[in-house]
Amino acid sequence: QKEVEQNSGPLSVPEGAIASLNCTYSDRGSQSFFWYRQYSGKSPELIMSIYSNGDKEDGRFTAQLNKASQYVSLLIRDSQPSDSATYLCAVTPWETSYDKVIFGPGTSLSVIP
Amino acid sequence: EAGVAQSPRYKIIEKRQSVAFWCNPISGHATLYWYQQILGQGPKLLIQFQNNGVVDDSQLPKDRFSAERLKGVDSTLKIQPAKLEDSAVYLCASRGPNTGELFFGEGSRLTVL
Repeated sequence: QKEVEQNSGPLSVPEGAIASLNCTYSDRGSQSFFWYRQYSGKSPELIMSIYSNGDKEDGRFTAQLNKASQYVSLLIRDSQPSDSATYLCAVTPWETSYDKVIFGPGTSLSVIP
Repeated sequence: EAGVAQSPRYKIIEKRQSVAFWCNPISGHATLYWYQQILGQGPKLLIQFQNNGVVDDSQLPKDRFSAERLKGVDSTLKIQPAKLEDSAVYLCASRGPNTGELFFGEGSRLTVL
């Protein structure tokens, strides 16, 4: 079983809509969860981190974590063409004491003007 | 604050040749990661250093890949001999204390012919 799974997409949404990106992970004891954005030909950059169950909002972005379901999501409100990128879910598994960071395969998002 | 520096940005080699990539992390960042990102996939962790010690190299193909971080600052990743399937972007990232955020360099794109 893969450690971090995401819908590969591509996900297409119209400008102004809400984009919903989903991620599941296999290690039930995982403690730290991250969403990175990667534009084509560029390196990943952190957009959200979340450590406890519930929602965390930052501007147009909301991360949601449900540890019981081993599920983390990212909502992008009022999507803009500049949000078109690949979104990578990343997790720190519990069994490591040294902050290993495992990435999922990414979901490609396209925001249509 | 200077970011993570990597070189070279691009490298083209023939199979069975060798190549080396260099990374200089953000000053003061004790944790350094090397990831391999094949086109269309998420980053795969190859090796993680804490200061100058290896804390995880479980996914490093040790028959051909090696890495070192001798003085706990900059790091070198070497591939010898290269195979066609090593064609990828090699990303270096560093992490500072009291934060889960990884800061990535621009990456080194390797093409093996």
